[in-house]
This record gives sequence, structure tokens and C-alpha cells, in this order.
Amino acid sequence: AQTVTQSQPEMSVQEAETVTLSCTYDTSESDYYLFWYKQPPSRQMILVIRQEAYKQQNATENRFSVNFQKAAKSFSLKISDSQLGDAAMYFCAYRSGQGDSGPYKYIFGTGTRLKVLA
Amino acid sequence: GAGVSQSPRYKVAKRGQDVALRCDPISGHVSLFWYQQALGQGPEFLTYFQNEAQLDKSGLPSDRFFAERPEGSVSTLKIQRTQQEDSAVYLCASSLALFPEQYFGPGTRLTVT
Repeated sequence: AQTVTQSQPEMSVQEAETVTLSCTYDTSESDYYLFWYKQPPSRQMILVIRQEAYKQQNATENRFSVNFQKAAKSFSLKISDSQLGDAAMYFCAYRSGQGDSGPYKYIFGTGTRLKVLA
Repeated sequence: GAGVSQSPRYKVAKRGQDVALRCDPISGHVSLFWYQQALGQGPEFLTYFQNEAQLDKSGLPSDRFFAERPEGSVSTLKIQRTQQEDSAVYLCASSLALFPEQYFGPGTRLTVT
């Protein structure tokens, strides 16, 4: 079975600085997707970034980028120029990419609480 | 609608009561998921629908939990004879068929007293 591990329960970063959140996963599949979601206190999970396992290039979305190391099964999130609005719980998630038969469910890590200091 | 909506946002139930939680997915999204998020934890999968068909219910913790999506749009998660361990946030998510991104609703916080 697949597992996702986030070993940092809490991280802090100064406003305008850069922070990296760690995620490791375990799978025997070769085709899958990885995601980072942000969950502010309002509880709404917001997609931050996605990475397809078959792509070697790391995904980037504005100030957010990932370091995807497939062999090491590592998927870290880098937030540049941190803003107060980035403060939230961040969850790493795995989804199998096994074609039409699924499974399509997400497997989540336990989350990292990010605090942004003014 | 613009996004996934869930109602109610908060529900307090006495132990032993039945509850029903509603999810309205994004229009056109054929896939619908329910997750349970305990305090301080990541969401855990409960069940998955493709249109009206419940294709995976492997995450439902007991036979007190039941989900339906009779017309392939709105879904209801029902919990019978609620127990204190059922207290959690219940998240609903929807997605287009075979697209990997899931879009989440704001969740329903269930507190069983």
C-alpha cells in the first residue's frame, strides 16, 4: 500500500524569505501523481501544485515550486518570497495513475503547519 | 455553482443520533469523493462515486456509514447511531472523469456529544 510521510509538523518562515516543506512517499507503482494542497483555517483545501511522475521537469506555479526526486521518492515544496497569506496547513498527497481502473483516491500525509512571521 | 459546496458547515449530534451530510459537486464533475479528517490529521478516504455508481467504499469505517449519489450529482453521507469517534471534519471533493485534480468543499465539522 502507498504511504505519504510529512516529517515536519510545523515550520516557520520570515515574510519574504524562502521555505521548503518535505514530503516522502512509498509506492511500487511507476505511474502516479503528487500534489501539494493548502488548507487555511477556513478548512477549504486549495490545490497548490501538481506533479506527474512521468515528467522529469519539476512543476512550478508562480512562487511555488517542487523538487521531485523519483528515485528517492521525495517531493518537497519550496515557497519563495513568503507572504502572510501563505500561513496554513500544507498537505502532500499521492494519487495512483493506473489508467481507467483507478484507484483515484488521494492518500494524504499528516500535514505541515506553516507560520509566516511579519 | 462556482465550487464544491457542503451543508451544513457545522453539525452537533448527540451520541446515537443519525446525521446526513450533503455535498454539491462542481457542475459536470462525474467523480465525487468523501474524506474524513480527524483533528490534526490529514484527510482519509471514505468512498468514491463515478456518476451514480459507488465504485469504492473501502474507507467507510463501519456499516453505520452510508453514502449515496442517486442522480449522479448531489451526494449524501449518512452516519447512523453516531459515536464520539465519528467527530471529525467530513470533506467532499469532485473531479472531472480521469482528471487527477480534486476540488474540495469547505467541509462539515461534526461534533458528537
